[in-house]
Amino acid sequence: KAGVTQTPRYLIKTRGQQVTLSCSPISGHRSVSWYQQTPGQGLQFLFEYFSETQRNKGNFPGRFSGRQFSNSRSEMNVSTLELGDSALYLCASSLTPFDNEQFFGPGTRLTVL
Amino acid sequence: GDSVTQMEGPVTLSEEAFLTINCTYTATGYPSLFWYVQYPGEGLQLLLKATKADDKGSNKGFEATYRKETTSFHLEKGSVQVSDSAVYFCPGKRSYIPTFGRGTSLIVHP
Repeated sequence: KAGVTQTPRYLIKTRGQQVTLSCSPISGHRSVSWYQQTPGQGLQFLFEYFSETQRNKGNFPGRFSGRQFSNSRSEMNVSTLELGDSALYLCASSLTPFDNEQFFGPGTRLTVL
Repeated sequence: GDSVTQMEGPVTLSEEAFLTINCTYTATGYPSLFWYVQYPGEGLQLLLKATKADDKGSNKGFEATYRKETTSFHLEKGSVQVSDSAVYFCPGKRSYIPTFGRGTSLIVHP
């Protein structure tokens, strides 16, 4: 069974631009969560989607948004990029929402210049 | 929520040394508990889990026992290898929001 895939793996943007990251969950998993990982803050929860609805949201500004499609694939978008948005963005899928047993993708490394 | 407190790193050991990474939890019930591992340049992988009190999870030589009397789920390995160098996470939840924090970095020297 294929694992969680994330595209692209690496991305370089400049301040003020916007970016869209994509995540394909494990087949059959309907819940997708997004996390931001930085050395200073560690792994922080962004949001979780289940059945195309956002079920849970972390403490991030409105510049961070996401969506989920009917096939459970998910995208997250960051608008008006700031230097501090440079991070590893991880996507995780699970069978149900609020499930701590999650399966993570390899991440997208975003660098903002 | 089910909050956890995980020891800060880094933990630096020589190969074949004994490893303990502490994780204690605060919960109203007995939630399932997990350990994840993140190898350099990769995403997180589930290492082991325990779904009820007194359960022992084990994988790749790592073990953790869900102890309700001490509210702990410490990760242990009898003899670490250089390849175990990674960041280890014991996640909790706060108001349904998963909390992973910075994890505990383990560095194993030959």
